[in-house]
Amino acid sequence: AQSVSQHNHHVILSEAASLELGCNYSYGGTVNLFWYVQYPGQHLQLLLKYFSGDPLVKGIKGFEAEFIKSKFSFNLRKPSVQWSDTAEYFCAVNGGSQGNLIFGKGTKLSVKP
Amino acid sequence: DGGITQSPKYLFRKEGQNVTLSCEQNLNHDAMYWYRQDPGQGLRLIYYSQIVNDFQKGDIAEGYSVSREKKESFPLTVTSAQKNPTAFYLCASSISHGTGDVDEQFFGPGTRLTVL
Repeated sequence: AQSVSQHNHHVILSEAASLELGCNYSYGGTVNLFWYVQYPGQHLQLLLKYFSGDPLVKGIKGFEAEFIKSKFSFNLRKPSVQWSDTAEYFCAVNGGSQGNLIFGKGTKLSVKP
Repeated sequence: DGGITQSPKYLFRKEGQNVTLSCEQNLNHDAMYWYRQDPGQGLRLIYYSQIVNDFQKGDIAEGYSVSREKKESFPLTVTSAQKNPTAFYLCASSISHGTGDVDEQFFGPGTRLTVL
């Protein structure tokens, strides 16, 4: 069965620090990859997605992610975080034409002003 | 305004009662999904439907039931057989490619169910 691992449960950073959140998945075939964000009190929304092509994907609000096939990874990055980035971040994978997404357990990011 | 609506936002029920959570979308999406979100557990798939009158069990379908009689509606019933129903329930929809590949899912605001 497919699975998704997010390495960090809770990350605490100061404003302007760089961010990298890890995501690894277990499926060996072609995958579609997603990062979603859930700001406090708001809907879950898409940050970025990768289907094919350039493995470095740019998303909203300055976020980017890099797909490294050999490492089964899709880590999320941001060079300089802001207090408003405080949220919970979820990595998700769709592989094997299963018709659904498998989500990781999420990483809570707290940014100190 | 296009989007997904879930009602109610908060729901309280007594143990042993069935309860139905509403999910409606006006995005003209074929596929709809129900997830359960618990702290530290991420999102776990309960049921999904890729087309009207058809649906599949997800990873944690026991104690839940769904119907998909209309494209825009995908109600979830939490039955008395669900052993731990108190949770945050999220509905989502997406374009269906018919191949099993999943495109971006759009999420509703969620319903927080508390069973007393």
